[in-house]
Amino acid sequence: DTGVSQNPRHKITKRGQNVTFRCDPISEHNRLYWYRQTLGQGPEFLTYFQNEAQLEKSRLLSDRFSAERPKGSFSTLEIQRTEQGDSAMYLCASSHSSSYGGGELFFGEGSRLTVL
Amino acid sequence: AQSVAQPEDQVNVAEGNPLTVKCTYSVSGNPYLFWYVQYPNRGLQFLLKYITGDNLVKGSYGFEAEFNKSQTSFHLKKPSALVSDSALYFCAVSPLGDMRFGAGTRLTVKP
Repeated sequence: DTGVSQNPRHKITKRGQNVTFRCDPISEHNRLYWYRQTLGQGPEFLTYFQNEAQLEKSRLLSDRFSAERPKGSFSTLEIQRTEQGDSAMYLCASSHSSSYGGGELFFGEGSRLTVL
Repeated sequence: AQSVAQPEDQVNVAEGNPLTVKCTYSVSGNPYLFWYVQYPNRGLQFLLKYITGDNLVKGSYGFEAEFNKSQTSFHLKKPSALVSDSALYFCAVSPLGDMRFGAGTRLTVKP
């Protein structure tokens, strides 16, 4: 049984560079979520997909951030022109949608971004 | 806006004592409520959820939570704490599919 997989696990980059994270959800899950978490804080919602459709984007997701899920399977989160404030853990989660509101989320281990 | 609040940053209990981690919610419509746990250097793990029905829900590792509509609360409880329960606990609400988390409560169980 494979859970949610995120790559890379760690990324160190210089300010101004672009970075991309990949998330492979649990195969039968049709919903995929991205969150950002800073040390000791709760996950902040960024965006989520149902199949390939991006259903909601947080205002936290500035125009430097873009997420895709082109075939309704894996997803990528790209951050352009990174800033030091982007340093955080980026979490991916998946779930199977249901009539009552989506069900519990299954999280990956996260991708830690450090911007120097 | 749909949200949850965790009023305590830190909860300390002695091993073997009961524990409570508090959560209050603010939603319009049906409150779909969740608890997750995060161990050091690990991803978040689902503990339990309330969707409808019995106000007392049971979850993983002996945890349970009580839904109280009049107090808009969903407190996490365990009758007898273990040192291994020490972790970060998050309450969450999922009104329409997207899930919003509280700031978290760090639980420390001392031997």
